[in-house]
Amino acid sequence: QSVLTQPPSVSGAPGQRVTISCTGSGSNIGAGYEVHWYQQFPGTAPKLLIYDNNNRPSGVPDRFSASKSGTSASLAITGLQAEDEADYYCQSYDSSLSGSRVFGGGTKLTIL
Amino acid sequence: QVQLQESGPGLLKPSGTLSLTCAVSGGSISSTDWWSWVRQTPGKGLEWLGEIYHSGSTKYNPSLQSRLTISVDKSKNQFSLMLISVTAADTAMYYCAKNTGRPSARFFDIWGPGTMVTVSS
Repeated sequence: QSVLTQPPSVSGAPGQRVTISCTGSGSNIGAGYEVHWYQQFPGTAPKLLIYDNNNRPSGVPDRFSASKSGTSASLAITGLQAEDEADYYCQSYDSSLSGSRVFGGGTKLTIL
Repeated sequence: QVQLQESGPGLLKPSGTLSLTCAVSGGSISSTDWWSWVRQTPGKGLEWLGEIYHSGSTKYNPSLQSRLTISVDKSKNQFSLMLISVTAADTAMYYCAKNTGRPSARFFDIWGPGTMVTVSS
């Protein structure tokens, strides 16, 4: 069981908008700790997609955005493209686990 | 641009010791960043194992703290993982990663390609 909860899968047609939720608790997201997002294609390492809640590293399209509220965060992808099909993970910090970095269980995005 | 490369044995027996090394190139391990190990079990999610600063300061995942040691070798610009008493549950893809940011907000901005480790008799 992951400390952060994500839906196992989401799907959308090309051009549509999808969101992926990441639900935590009062010792991680709810405590105000930043949330980061990663994108992973099969057989490759994760890649940083969003850092510090809503910042995109250089090279990440502005179709990707994220937000945080209360004990949850969400990643939004607009204008879905076939190449967006991947696994997406959220990550934060948890103060109840001796200061551990924690991940969500991951969400598989399928482009219909 | 910093690049990371993991190395180590792909197969080991139960109760053995897993040793992996992450070579850092394109930058110094003595920067202001921390250096982490993350693993991913087949078909499952990501698990942070621990991290180290070039001074030797470490932080470990409490679930693995009794079996895990992370060390740094500044002369070779690399850091290492040692996990003792391995079982089949330790079978996973192991990644090394650079993490940056404030202590409670660090994220993993650069990852190695990963190395698969299988624990089997």
